[in-house]
Amino acid sequence: AQKVTQAQTEISVVEKEDVTLDCVYETRDTTYYLFWYKQPPSGELVFLIRRNSFDEQNEISGRYSWNFQKSTSSFNFTITASQVVDSAVYFCALSGDNAGNMLTFGGGTRLMVKP
Amino acid sequence: DAGITQSPRHKVTETGTPVTLRCHQTENHRYMYWYRQDPGHGLRLIHYSYGVKDTDKGEVSDGYSVSRSKTEDFLLTLESATSSQTSVYFCAISEAGTGRTEAFFGQGTRLTVV
Repeated sequence: AQKVTQAQTEISVVEKEDVTLDCVYETRDTTYYLFWYKQPPSGELVFLIRRNSFDEQNEISGRYSWNFQKSTSSFNFTITASQVVDSAVYFCALSGDNAGNMLTFGGGTRLMVKP
Repeated sequence: DAGITQSPRHKVTETGTPVTLRCHQTENHRYMYWYRQDPGHGLRLIHYSYGVKDTDKGEVSDGYSVSRSKTEDFLLTLESATSSQTSVYFCAISEAGTGRTEAFFGQGTRLTVV
């Protein structure tokens, strides 16, 4: 069975602070995929990144960066110089390499960025 | 943005009544999914489809049925709604059946069962 744990249910920061959202996963698959989605107050789910289990390179996209560590089964997400518009619920998700692409989601982390 | 439309966007219904939610896509993707979102649980898979008339159960399928008679439409039916089915329902689509491609989500349907 697959499991994703986002231990931080809520984080509050002041604008311009850096913030890291933690994601720990469990899977028995050797090939798997990790995702981050953003859910702003408007409610839609916005895809941010997909990473496969064979690629442990960290990725940076503007103020966003992701740290994938297979040894600790973690896929953490860092926002540098946070902005009010980053306020949202962030979900980490896991999928195996099986038909159906069923995503197993973590419980989400609510990020509040205060001006 | 992926062409996914969910209808209705909001619905209030009474316990014991049947409810059908519709997901319509214009991307011609083979895979379609229904998830529900509840506080503390993230999103959980209800049912998914891997082609016309081909469906399978997800993690929380009890009390739900689905149908897919056309590539573009995936219907979720609550035969007899209960208060525990009050939730936000999301439809998702995916081009391939594995994590090799991302899933894109609709805007959600907020269902309240009173």
